[in-house]
Amino acid sequence: NAGVTQTPKFRILKIGQSMTLQCTQDMNHNYMYWYRQDPGMGLKLIYYSVGAGITDKGEVPNGYNVSRSTTEDFPLRLELAAPSQTSVYFCASSSTGEVSEQYFGPGTRLTVT
Amino acid sequence: QKEVEQDPGPLSVPEGAIVSLNCTYSNSAFQYFMWYRQYSRKGPELLMYTYSSGNKEDGRFTAQVDKSSKYISLFIRDSQPSDSATYLCAMTKRNDYKLSFGAGTTVTVRA
Repeated sequence: NAGVTQTPKFRILKIGQSMTLQCTQDMNHNYMYWYRQDPGMGLKLIYYSVGAGITDKGEVPNGYNVSRSTTEDFPLRLELAAPSQTSVYFCASSSTGEVSEQYFGPGTRLTVT
Repeated sequence: QKEVEQDPGPLSVPEGAIVSLNCTYSNSAFQYFMWYRQYSRKGPELLMYTYSSGNKEDGRFTAQVDKSSKYISLFIRDSQPSDSATYLCAMTKRNDYKLSFGAGTTVTVRA
């Protein structure tokens, strides 16, 4: 019963480096989301997907890219990392339906120096 | 103006006290209101949700929604040290799967 898994748990990047944050869910959910959480700022939606092959921008998409080739996986790509991308990143998924609980992964703590 | 406002606290209460948390919002289209609980260094998990106005009770937790005032509340009765966490309000419009979150209130219940 894994739910939503994220790797890595922690990462330190140098300015200008790139990396991919991995997210996998085993609940056959159509909807998946990437958020970032900064202290005192709540969760901000970066990108979301309503199904394989379909992605769209959220509130703060600049500096990030996503792809969704399968129902299970929704990786988040950071190109040319900047200190402003230091944050905790959460992946979430939900099923379709009028009220749908979002299930969150454990998060990835990223520091860009 | 933020779409959802929530006082980040922190809030510290003795064990057994009633914890009162609240959020205000500006978008009158919001219909579903949720409270998520987030333990330190963990992902958020859904605690309760309500539809439109009214109250909902689940054990020691009560959620209230006042749409006329654009104000929602969460009450925790007989608080326990295990309730120490950050509580985030979230809300969404009908037929919308994207959530708008408050900043979260950090609560510490002292034994």
